[in-house]
Amino acid sequence: GAGVSQSPSNKVTEKGKDVELRCDPISGHTALYWYRQRLGQGLEFLIYFQGNSAPDKSGLPSDRFSAERTGESVSTLTIQRTQQEDSAVYLCASSQREGPYEQYFGPGTRLTVT
Amino acid sequence: QKEVEQNSGPLSVPEGAIASLNCTYSDRGSQSFFWYRQYSGKSPELIMFIYSNGDKEDGRFTAQLNKASQYVSLLIRDSQPSDSATYLCAVGGSNYKLTFGKGTLLTVNP
Repeated sequence: GAGVSQSPSNKVTEKGKDVELRCDPISGHTALYWYRQRLGQGLEFLIYFQGNSAPDKSGLPSDRFSAERTGESVSTLTIQRTQQEDSAVYLCASSQREGPYEQYFGPGTRLTVT
Repeated sequence: QKEVEQNSGPLSVPEGAIASLNCTYSDRGSQSFFWYRQYSGKSPELIMFIYSNGDKEDGRFTAQLNKASQYVSLLIRDSQPSDSATYLCAVGGSNYKLTFGKGTLLTVNP
């Protein structure tokens, strides 16, 4: 079946602009995660959605970052007033059930802030 | 602070050999353990998961878990150049989050 999809695959933006990244999870997966991976670094947890529960936003690095998800479908991650340090690959993952279980990653969005 | 430690490598093995990748974790309450493969410029791909002590085999891959020692490993038999990648260990605790290690770079030489 179809995996996690993300768009755009690449985004180049000027410092100070807003960007919106999209994630479409595997159908039927109730849990959705966003991560950030800077070049040569590990995965940094950003935010978690589970069904209609309140999201866990504890990993968002600043109030310039926000994310939404409608039900168990598409999620968008928005970065306002982008800074050069926001340059990274943003990865979305989904999981079939709530809990510390298998996560399946999308291809990522490579964001470059110039 | 939950920690997952991996040797950054690079780990270099000849083609056909067994590659052994190791991971230790700090949270004794950890319940689930995962190995992801990440090719350069690509996203992580789940290759193995294990929940119980002991070994779990899938093709050329074997995951080994020892909760008493807080240690999980991945063995790759008959290593191929296509196995060259960074291998991420991830550990799940009592909530929904996975803690990822920084990964071990594996190079399989033809």
